Amino acid sequence: DVKVTQSSRYLVKRTGEKVFLECVQDMDHENMFWYRQDPGLGLRLIYFSYDVKMKEKGDIPEGYSVSREKKERFSLILESASTNQTSMYLCASSTGQLYGYTFGSGTRLTVV
Amino acid sequence: QQQVKQSPQSLIVQKGGIPIINCAYENTAFDYFPWYQQFPGKGPALLIAIRPDVSEKKEGRFTISFNKSAKQFSLHIMDSQPGDSATYFCAASPGGFKTIFGAGTRLFVKA
Repeated sequence: DVKVTQSSRYLVKRTGEKVFLECVQDMDHENMFWYRQDPGLGLRLIYFSYDVKMKEKGDIPEGYSVSREKKERFSLILESASTNQTSMYLCASSTGQLYGYTFGSGTRLTVV
Repeated sequence: QQQVKQSPQSLIVQKGGIPIINCAYENTAFDYFPWYQQFPGKGPALLIAIRPDVSEKKEGRFTISFNKSAKQFSLHIMDSQPGDSATYFCAASPGGFKTIFGAGTRLFVKA
């Protein structure tokens, strides 16, 4: 069964900490994405990558960075966590421009 | 112009009913319109998708209706079951990678 795996289901971090969220896919997909999900706001795109070492900003990139050193792995980095980054973070991958996404189960991050 | 507006926020129907979720968009560059289903504790899963060159698509009990001139599309769930209780997201993609999601609709199907 193909899948997208996010390393942590729940994380609690302190304000100011550097936080790494890891995502791995086993489908050999070119494209990978990071979204955050908040009640009433749906899913908002943070960053995406269409190839190794390539990255593009989404709609809400402020306070985040990403790394894609290998095709199967896409990491989201919170340089200095803040309480307004408390959210559900979803990683996804896809094989092409007009294909649906395969999502991971999400990481619920709480910043205290 | 990049928004996708989804309604209603929540919906309760009896088993066997036909819940309808509506979405509207403004960007005419959107050319792929997927729907995702999300159960608690899980990530969204692709349910069904449509391209703007067709007005309707059916997969099992799920139907998308698409009105290009009105820039609206909707999801109908025929003979709804308690197992369909989930959050549904409409989305739109402008032929690239930046899929835009609606705010979601929480559906509850009463047994």
